[in-house]
Amino acid sequence: GEDVEQSLFLSVREGDSSVINCTYTDSSSTYLYWYKQEPGAGLQLLTYIFSNMDMKQDQRLTVLLNKKDKHLSLRIADTQTGDSAIYFCAEKGGSSYKLIFGSGTRLLVRP
Amino acid sequence: DGGITQSPKYLFRKEGQNVTLSCEQNLNHDAMYWYRQDPGQGLRLIYYSQIVNDFQKGDIAEGYSVSREKKESFPLTVTSAQKNPTAFYLCASNGASSYNSPLHFGNGTRLTVT
Repeated sequence: GEDVEQSLFLSVREGDSSVINCTYTDSSSTYLYWYKQEPGAGLQLLTYIFSNMDMKQDQRLTVLLNKKDKHLSLRIADTQTGDSAIYFCAEKGGSSYKLIFGSGTRLLVRP
Repeated sequence: DGGITQSPKYLFRKEGQNVTLSCEQNLNHDAMYWYRQDPGQGLRLIYYSQIVNDFQKGDIAEGYSVSREKKESFPLTVTSAQKNPTAFYLCASNGASSYNSPLHFGNGTRLTVT
């Protein structure tokens, strides 16, 4: 079945760039999403990319998609302490309205 | 402002009791979902509903029940049959008929059963 995998933890220094990686197995994926979860809260949609795109930039966020390798990444430029959170990657298959989520990457930004 | 409201934020129950978690949305979304989140395990789908009066089991439906009598509301009942009910529960919705349909989430209910 479909699967989405992420590394569990990433620690960066404030001001550096963060890169969070995700791999997925569903070759019929149409949209891929990045969500942010702060402690005790729901998930907030950060950005998304359509599967026929390679890159999408939105202010400090850059999403890269390598469809051949089924690899998605989220780069956060000039990472701030407020970016500390759990980041979830999710994919939507071609014929489904459901999203499949990864297990989340906890980002810790050190001052 | 449109959004999803989950209540209460924290819920405490004794083992053996059923408990119902509320989820209301004013986004006019057709589809609604319930997820369970445990530490380090991401989100697991419990139940989902594409239209009123219809719902389907997700990956971990055992011990849970839902109803969808109104488009805006999708309450989740955690029954005494659920073996390990303590978790963070998230409700979400999207426009199922839309090709690009990101999920919108509520702020969650943390259920503790002792």
